Amino acid sequence: DIQMTQSPSSVSASVGDRVTITCQASQGISRWLAWYQQKPGKAPKLLIYAASSLQSGVPSRFSGSVSGTDFTLTITSLQPEDFATYYCQQANSFPLTFGGGTKVEIK
Amino acid sequence: EEQLVESGGGLVQPGGSLRLSCAASGFTISNSAMSWVRQAPGKGLEWVSGIRNNDDTTYYTDSVKGRFTISRDNSKNTLYLQMNSLRGDDTGVYYCAKGVRGWNMDVWGKGTTVTVSS
Repeated sequence: DIQMTQSPSSVSASVGDRVTITCQASQGISRWLAWYQQKPGKAPKLLIYAASSLQSGVPSRFSGSVSGTDFTLTITSLQPEDFATYYCQQANSFPLTFGGGTKVEIK
Repeated sequence: EEQLVESGGGLVQPGGSLRLSCAASGFTISNSAMSWVRQAPGKGLEWVSGIRNNDDTTYYTDSVKGRFTISRDNSKNTLYLQMNSLRGDDTGVYYCAKGVRGWNMDVWGKGTTVTVSS
């Protein structure tokens, strides 16, 4: 199975800050990586697919990048509605696997 | 609007069975890869099972192989998850999700809660 190591597990930030979350795959997954946002008691929401493609309707302050097996989600100018937990997910091979999550909290 | 609505969760004793349903609207499930994803209380997301759109090939995470079965009824536009030999670590919220551009999940239901306890 492909392990997805996500870091940090939590981050405290202020409105307007830039936040970076990383996910490392245990083996090559090409660009088969998605990012999701989840708020308490709600279903996850797809933000980014294919490592860097923005899902329709998602604000452009969200972006994704990749270097080898290291993937990054960046939120520029954090907004109040962005405080949530973020997960990466590899879509390269079965079983599909998620990272452990990163909780973005208000500083 | 594309929507998914799960049902069938509940309280079940260890060793028992449940069948979850996921009714789709606004799209045809036979045209999409579909997945079940669960979340244990206070924990992260765990993909459980998926079914491919073009040939109905099914996939499972190791911990549910031989116990869970994913299927779909195209005439009802509904996805199912038959869960047998349930264990305490199967407890959680179960979401169904529609795949886009492969196995990225762009439409999610609100989830149904499964509690396995005596």
